[in-house]
Amino acid sequence: EPEVTQTPSHQVTQMGQEVILRCVPISNHLYFYWYRQILGQKVEFLVSFYNNEISEKSEIFDDQFSVERPDGSNFTLKIRSTKLEDSAMYFCASSGDRGNSPLHFGNGTRLTVT
Amino acid sequence: TQLLEQSPQFLSIQEGENLTVYCNSSSVFSSLQWYRQEPGEGPVLLVTVVTGGEVKKLKRLTFQFGDARKDSSLHITAAQPGDTGLYLCAGGKAGANNLFFGTGTRLTVIP
Repeated sequence: EPEVTQTPSHQVTQMGQEVILRCVPISNHLYFYWYRQILGQKVEFLVSFYNNEISEKSEIFDDQFSVERPDGSNFTLKIRSTKLEDSAMYFCASSGDRGNSPLHFGNGTRLTVT
Repeated sequence: TQLLEQSPQFLSIQEGENLTVYCNSSSVFSSLQWYRQEPGEGPVLLVTVVTGGEVKKLKRLTFQFGDARKDSSLHITAAQPGDTGLYLCAGGKAGANNLFFGTGTRLTVIP
């Protein structure tokens, strides 16, 4: 069964550094998402992406965050200048449609900012 | 913010027992999805319910969407150790791309 893959599985970075988290969504999906989960807390929506542009974003997704689909397969999340509070699991997801369609999640990237 | 509260937050039961997990909100959702998350992995979809009052069964799991589409429940019959995990409900809004996740219920089934 096709799956969403994320790399790296774990990223450690120093405060103020830029990080890029990478995702390969399911190939025939059209909608792409980033969520994050701070340890012990709930899964939070960051951003959704469709037709090469952001379709929705949350308050968390401020100017420090950006997303890109540089080619036909990759979907990236960049954090320009990381803060300690950015430490979390970051999950990429994709779906074939919007609304009630199920999301297929990757296994996440654990970001640790020191 | 569309708040989805799950209860209980933690649940530890013996193998063979039955349990119910609740997902409540003051908001109306067009759909309600239930996911299960294992440590170190992303959430995996269990079911989607879209009609008020809808009941769906998945083997020993029974999911119900409230008549007003503001709440949902997950009932597990004869729980097994393999059911251990974090159960998440997530609500979708018509025309929106994102899901609002609940606070989660961490279930432990003791052999």
